[in-house]
Amino acid sequence: NAGVTQTPKFQVLKTGQSMTLQCAQDMNHNSMYWYRQDPGMGLRLIYYSASEGTTDKGEVPNGYNVSRLNKREFSLRLESAAPSQTSVYFCASRQYGTGRSEQFFGPGTRLTVL
Amino acid sequence: AQRVTQPEKLLSVFKGAPVELKCNYSYSGSPELFWYVQYSRQRLQLLLRHISRESIKGFTADLNKGETSFHLKKPFAQEEDSAMYYCALSGNTGNQFYFGTGTSLTVIP
Repeated sequence: NAGVTQTPKFQVLKTGQSMTLQCAQDMNHNSMYWYRQDPGMGLRLIYYSASEGTTDKGEVPNGYNVSRLNKREFSLRLESAAPSQTSVYFCASRQYGTGRSEQFFGPGTRLTVL
Repeated sequence: AQRVTQPEKLLSVFKGAPVELKCNYSYSGSPELFWYVQYSRQRLQLLLRHISRESIKGFTADLNKGETSFHLKKPFAQEEDSAMYYCALSGNTGNQFYFGTGTSLTVIP
């Protein structure tokens, strides 16, 4: 099992460009999450999807959109990138409901917006 | 409201010394608590969960409901323990999962 995978690993954008970060998991988990990690601020939840077909805002959703394409895939889109979105982005998944469980993380995408 | 508090952003200890990373939480009901570790430029990985009551890599953590704490401890720190550590909480209603801001541990040789 690959677990949680993310593409791309690195990306440099210019202000105003758009891009989509991809995330996929092969553990048949129902819930998926997108976080950003910034120095001194820890992990902040951007959006999450409790189950296929549902998405909800987290702590810092502004400037982002998400799509839960199917049970495996959860993408994060930046429509018009800004320098403040320079960060490391992590996707995570877990199986919620059958006893609470931990989240499993992807390797991260390091995004720089110039 | 801050659910998980890690009061130390940075912590340095000498190799062989005991180490304690603090975590306090605020949540009514019965949450599940976790410690995650992130080595340099790697993904977060689960270190401990309170319901398992196990020791991983020499680390232990006890849930103290009276003090609402879940401190991570190791009696003898090793250089390979240098990493970022996150305390996390899973709520018992809804799909809630909260992380603290993390503590960066440096073990000095």
